[in-house]
Amino acid sequence: DTGVSQDPRHKITKRGQNVTFRCDPISEHNRLYWYRQTLGQGPEFLTYFQNEAQLEKSRLLSDRFSAERPKGSFSTLEIQRTEQGDSAMYLCASSPSREKTAEAFFGQGTRLTVV
Amino acid sequence: GENVEQHPSTLSVQEGDSAVIKCTYSDSASNYFPWYKQELGKRPQLIIDIRSNVGEKKDQRIAVTLNKTAKHFSLHITETQPEDSAVYFCAASMPGSARQLTFGSGTQLTVLP
Repeated sequence: DTGVSQDPRHKITKRGQNVTFRCDPISEHNRLYWYRQTLGQGPEFLTYFQNEAQLEKSRLLSDRFSAERPKGSFSTLEIQRTEQGDSAMYLCASSPSREKTAEAFFGQGTRLTVV
Repeated sequence: GENVEQHPSTLSVQEGDSAVIKCTYSDSASNYFPWYKQELGKRPQLIIDIRSNVGEKKDQRIAVTLNKTAKHFSLHITETQPEDSAVYFCAASMPGSARQLTFGSGTQLTVLP
């Protein structure tokens, strides 16, 4: 499978713990996005990378959230001091950097449950 | 920022009938409108998209229409099959650096055999 891959698929953590998720985008895609999806809702944008640069962050991304994309390849999303409200599906997407296209390819997501 | 509303939230149709899902967007600057299909426990997958310089696009049993003046766009599925059952999301994107997607809240489509 040469699509977007995410790891782990599922994560259960206790409130207050830190968690880190990984995303490997499609190899030739410069653009990388993180979205969060809660039950019964559409994905909500969290942050965007163009190569290694983090260029956009949503207001949804509190100070407890940090994302990186070293070397412009894979990306990590870390949540510190998790809260029950952080329970959601975290989706990564990548997109080629061609002009006039915004087609995004999604990974299967990491389902986070905070207990 | 952009706001996308989607209706209906649930839709049941008989196999072979047509299904229509409608979305409205708020920002006239949006110029890209994809539709994603998400089956239970799986990733959202792009099924069709349309850009603002086009009014309609078809791909076999799926079509999307766009009315820029009214700021709404619709997904049409004809000759529905049980495997069309899934959650469908519309989205909108504006030109700019990030071109992130703003999604609607989804429509659960059930095709009854």
